[in-house]
Amino acid sequence: GAVVSQHPSWVICKSGTSVKIECRSLDFQATTMFWYRQFPKQSLMLMATSNEGSKATYEQGVEKDKFLINHASLTLSTLTVTSAHPEDSSFYICSASDSGAGEKAFFGQGTRLTVV
Amino acid sequence: SQQGEEDPQALSIQEGENATMNCSYKTSINNLQWYRQNSGRGLVHLILIRSNEREKHSGRLRVTLDTSKKSSSLLITASRAADTASYFCATDEGAQKLVFGQGTRLTINP
Repeated sequence: GAVVSQHPSWVICKSGTSVKIECRSLDFQATTMFWYRQFPKQSLMLMATSNEGSKATYEQGVEKDKFLINHASLTLSTLTVTSAHPEDSSFYICSASDSGAGEKAFFGQGTRLTVV
Repeated sequence: SQQGEEDPQALSIQEGENATMNCSYKTSINNLQWYRQNSGRGLVHLILIRSNEREKHSGRLRVTLDTSKKSSSLLITASRAADTASYFCATDEGAQKLVFGQGTRLTINP
């Protein structure tokens, strides 16, 4: 099946710094990728839809300037958490689909972000 | 928005028993999918059932869908310790956008 690679798998950063997370589709082209956030023992909350070559679509309540998304190519989307604070500590997961609308999604391994 | 609700939130059974998880949703869907997540990892797709299907099987997995009740169930038969994980249902809201349920944490005791 299709493979989505997410990097890094974990990162610790200081408050006020920015962190970039990469999501790559390794063997297929993904015009659309999705970024989710997951708190411990909770479900995935969709943050934004990343569209190749255009601006991301953010869900209500997600700060665009806080979570910068860039989808510069058909195989790479990045999420940058800017001026990170401890409350941004969470598990971030990306997904992509290699088929039509509504088909199964392939998920990255997730990134555990800890802001100290 | 989170539209799926799963029941139970946690389930603990003995190895070899069957595990049943339920999912309810609120709006019309194109399809419903079930995913598995091991602790601290990404999600793995298990099975997809389309809105015009009522039941689907895959190995030890059996999924049902009742669109009139807006509900789905996932049955895992002959459970194994390796089935211990969180299970999420997800509904397709169109344009490949998935909305996830709250999940069921399944523990299989050896």
